[in-house]
Order: sequence, then C-alpha cells, then structure tokens
Amino acid sequence: DTGVSQNPRHKITKRGQNVTFRCDPISEHNRLYWYRQTLGQGPEFLTYFQNEAQLEKSRLLSDRFSAERPKGSFSTLEIQRTEQGDSAMYLCATSEFDEQFFGPGTRLTVL
Amino acid sequence: DQQVKQNSPSLSVQEGRISILNCDYTNSMFDYFLWYKKYPAEGPTFLISISSIKDKNEDGRFTVFLNKSAKHLSLHIVPSQPGDSAVYFCAASENAGNMLTFGGGTRLMVKP
Repeated sequence: DTGVSQNPRHKITKRGQNVTFRCDPISEHNRLYWYRQTLGQGPEFLTYFQNEAQLEKSRLLSDRFSAERPKGSFSTLEIQRTEQGDSAMYLCATSEFDEQFFGPGTRLTVL
Repeated sequence: DQQVKQNSPSLSVQEGRISILNCDYTNSMFDYFLWYKKYPAEGPTFLISISSIKDKNEDGRFTVFLNKSAKHLSLHIVPSQPGDSAVYFCAASENAGNMLTFGGGTRLMVKP
C-alpha cells in the first residue's frame, strides 16, 4: 500500500499522559499536514511542513502540542499532558502538487 | 467564524437520480476548492477540485461548479449509486497546496 499511513490507529490514554502519533507520507510528497477532526465537524488545520521545515501552525496548536518532520520524511505529532478535550481523530495528509491525500487517522480517546 | 459552510447536514437521494451538495464560503482570498468523501473510520478521500479561474470541472459522474460572485460551489453526482453514501466535505485554500479550511460536511444517503 503506497498511501499515507498513520500509527497507531487508536490510542486510549489517561488524562495527563503524553502521546505520540506517527505519519508516513506517500513517497516523494514534500508537503505534510496535520488536521484534527471532532465528531460532527470537518477537519481543522493544525500544522504544515514543507520537507523538514514547519511553515505554518494554527492557533489551535497549543504549547502542549509539538510536531516534527526530521529529514523531511515521516512526521510525529506529540501531545503532552493530555486533556479530555484533546479526544479527536488526528489526520495526516500529504501532497506533491495541489491535492492533499489523507491517511486513515489516529483516534485519540482521553479518559 | 466559519469561513466554509455546508448548510445541509444530510441529503437523501434515490439511486440513479442526481445528488447536489452545496457549499458556501466567505473568504474572498480562497482560490482553490476541493471535495472529499469520507466513510466511517477512514480518512477523507479526494474526489475533485476546481481552481477559481474555472467555473466547472468534470470527472466521470462528478462535476463541481463554482460561482465566485456568489461565493458558492456545488458538487453534482450523476447517476447516484448506493456506494456514494458517505459524508462529503468541501474544502478551500488560499493558493493550491496551502492549508485547507473545511466545511462541516453533508451526509449523503443513496437509497436503492
């Protein structure tokens, strides 16, 4: 499968714990995006990389959130001291040109 | 402030008929628009896109229409099939490749 992959697919954690998600892009896609989707809403932009450079961050991305894309390939999104409000689907998308192609997402549940 | 709105949360259509999904936007800087389809427990799947220099783009059963003066776009699916049943999101960006702003989605149900 050469699509965007995300791991884990599901994560259940207790409030206050740290979690890390991984996204592996379609090869040769130099742009990588993170979005968050809550129930009944459309995805909301979090942050965007071109190669290894983080070019844009949403104000939704509090200082508990950090994203990296070392070497411009896979990316990680870490949430520190999770809160119940962080429960959502975290989506990764990548693009080479105009269209963004999404992975299956990681569903986070914070108890 | 919701910059992209899909005012119909759901739409039910008979198989073989036309499905029309609508989307409105407020940001006049948006110049690239996309439609995605989403099944439960999966990420959004890209369907079709349109640049602001066009008013129509067609791909098989899917056609997207853009009315810049009204800040409105629509997705037409003809003929509708039961497999088209899913949630459809419209999205917009300022320049292709930039961050996407999504609408809230419309759930389409195509009845056999």
